[in-house]
Amino acid sequence: NAGVTQTPKFQVLKTGQSMTLQCAQDMNHNSMYWYRQDPGMGLRLIYYSASEGTTDKGEVPNGYNVSRLNKREFSLRLESAAPSQTSVYFCASSVQGGQPQHFGDGTRLSIL
Amino acid sequence: AQSVTQLGSHVSVSEGALVLLRCNYSSSVPPYLFWYVQYPNQGLQLLLKYTTGATLVKGINGFEAEFKKSETSFHLTKPSAHMSDAAEYFCAVSDRENRDDKIIFGKGTRLHILP
Repeated sequence: NAGVTQTPKFQVLKTGQSMTLQCAQDMNHNSMYWYRQDPGMGLRLIYYSASEGTTDKGEVPNGYNVSRLNKREFSLRLESAAPSQTSVYFCASSVQGGQPQHFGDGTRLSIL
Repeated sequence: AQSVTQLGSHVSVSEGALVLLRCNYSSSVPPYLFWYVQYPNQGLQLLLKYTTGATLVKGINGFEAEFKKSETSFHLTKPSAHMSDAAEYFCAVSDRENRDDKIIFGKGTRLHILP
């Protein structure tokens, strides 16, 4: 199915481990986003890429890095995972602008 | 800076009853406004959005929302609730004058449908 694909769907890490969350979209969208969702907090933007080759920090970027590998792919890296990063992570995309149109199904990440 | 407040983290309605989910926003300029829905274990889906023009906006699945500038509100309604409407709903706002500005999400309202 066309859309936004995230891998993995679930992951458990130990504190201090590193990990990369992968995201790919096949809709030829220019803009891509990474959000985290925590109970009672709504969605908070971690990083944003308006177009291939550009990235910007969002509301909660500390502890994360991103790479816009090409127009299709936008990865999120945790260099040294902390329990506070336990969350559900969503990747999203849009044709342009800061308003996401399509979301992936999320990656559920637990840091022990 | 813009912000959005959703009144009620949980709302319960009976099947067939009116659904009303409340959203108030704060913005220094006329905003773009959005409602998203999230079904269990899925990502968000865009229900509807207001940008310009008609203040009553119709979306998918029978939902609609009305932009009321005087009340700084963008409440979501559906005349008759269905069991399949049970989900979490998020209101969001963005700066209308800057198309690249990121949107701000509310904290969400979980809608429960009673049989």
